[in-house]
Amino acid sequence: DTGVSQNPRHKITKRGQNVTFRCDPISEHNRLYWYRQTLGQGPEFLTYFQNEAQLEKSRLLSDRFSAERPKGSFSTLEIQRTEQGDSAMYLCASSWDRGNEKLFFGSGTQLSVL
Amino acid sequence: DAKTTQPPSMDCAEGRAANLPCNHSTISGNEYVYWYRQIHSQGPQYIIHGLKNNETNEMASLIITEDRKSSTLILPHATLRDTAVYYCIVRVARAQKLVFGQGTRLTINP
Repeated sequence: DTGVSQNPRHKITKRGQNVTFRCDPISEHNRLYWYRQTLGQGPEFLTYFQNEAQLEKSRLLSDRFSAERPKGSFSTLEIQRTEQGDSAMYLCASSWDRGNEKLFFGSGTQLSVL
Repeated sequence: DAKTTQPPSMDCAEGRAANLPCNHSTISGNEYVYWYRQIHSQGPQYIIHGLKNNETNEMASLIITEDRKSSTLILPHATLRDTAVYYCIVRVARAQKLVFGQGTRLTINP
């Protein structure tokens, strides 16, 4: 168990640029989640995959955001035309849909939009 | 998912037991109580969960009242490394997501 891996750890970009983050879940986990966290707040749910199918998207996920999990393994989260309000920590988590499934989180990608 | 209420912050002396309360008065019969914590600059970490019986693992104990409207997370011998934000979440088993509140910021003092 190597844990959930997220890359990059930090990303600084200029407003209007596109950014992409990657998440590698724990290998046997079939569920993958994306959360966003701003300073002083708890993580907010963005979207969730069961294998390669994206089953739920939050209203927070505007049309500038897109997430994929093409082969049911790693996932990418892309933000187009970034805005300063997109500055946050983006967290990925994975789980196995058996029992009371604990979620395992990565360390996140910290995005700063200048 | 039912809403939870936690104190925004607590302090505890190193070596003492830290008792973190959580109110979940609207919890449904099929909802579990989960606790996660988040140490600075890391993702949340699972601690423990329970339905109605008290639970204990290597990290903590979870005490759930008989009416299930509140619970307490106990860290029996707090260390400085237990300084973190602790989140109490109620959730149906195998539900698609966790819904986080603002949690309790626990500070362990030397």
